[in-house]
Amino acid sequence: EPEVTQTPSHQVTQMGQEVILRCVPISNHLYFYWYRQILGQKVEFLVSFYNNEISEKSEIFDDQFSVERPDGSNFTLKIRSTKLEDSAMYFCASSVSQGQQETQYFGPGTRLLVL
Amino acid sequence: QKEVEQDPGPLSVPEGAIVSLNCTYSNSAFQYFMWYRQYSRKGPELLMYTYSSGNKEDGRFTAQVDKSSKYISLFIRDSQPSDSATYLCAMSANTGRRALTFGSGTRLQVQP
Repeated sequence: EPEVTQTPSHQVTQMGQEVILRCVPISNHLYFYWYRQILGQKVEFLVSFYNNEISEKSEIFDDQFSVERPDGSNFTLKIRSTKLEDSAMYFCASSVSQGQQETQYFGPGTRLLVL
Repeated sequence: QKEVEQDPGPLSVPEGAIVSLNCTYSNSAFQYFMWYRQYSRKGPELLMYTYSSGNKEDGRFTAQVDKSSKYISLFIRDSQPSDSATYLCAMSANTGRRALTFGSGTRLQVQP
């Protein structure tokens, strides 16, 4: 069964450093998303991406964040200058819209720790 | 008022019990309702998807949506120890926005 994959599974970085989190969505999916989950808290939406542009973003997704689909398979989230509060699990998701169906499939996540 | 409220549990039941998990929400624009299962330190795994009001059954799982009460439920029949996980409700509006709004999750423990 096709699945969303994410790399790395864990990332430790120093505050102020840039990180890039990578995702390979399911191959025939058209919509891509990033969510994050701070330890012990709920899953929060960051951004959605369709047709090579951001279609929606939350208040969390400020100028420190950017997304890119550099080729036909990868989808990346870049955090330019990490802060301690960026420590979280970051999930990539993808979906294919079929009429009213909108099922988002999540990857296993990247655990980011900012020191 | 939080947009989506979900009792965090933990909920502990014996193997074979029927489990009822619930969420309430405040945003009447929500039209799509999902239940995800999340094992510790893993990604959410889609269990059930429902559009608008009604029931949907899939094996041991039944999802119910009552839009008039802004209340959704997930029932698990014949619960198994492997069902032990955190169950997340999620929903989205039919306004072109695709962002999912999640509940905080209910931790379920099924005792053998």
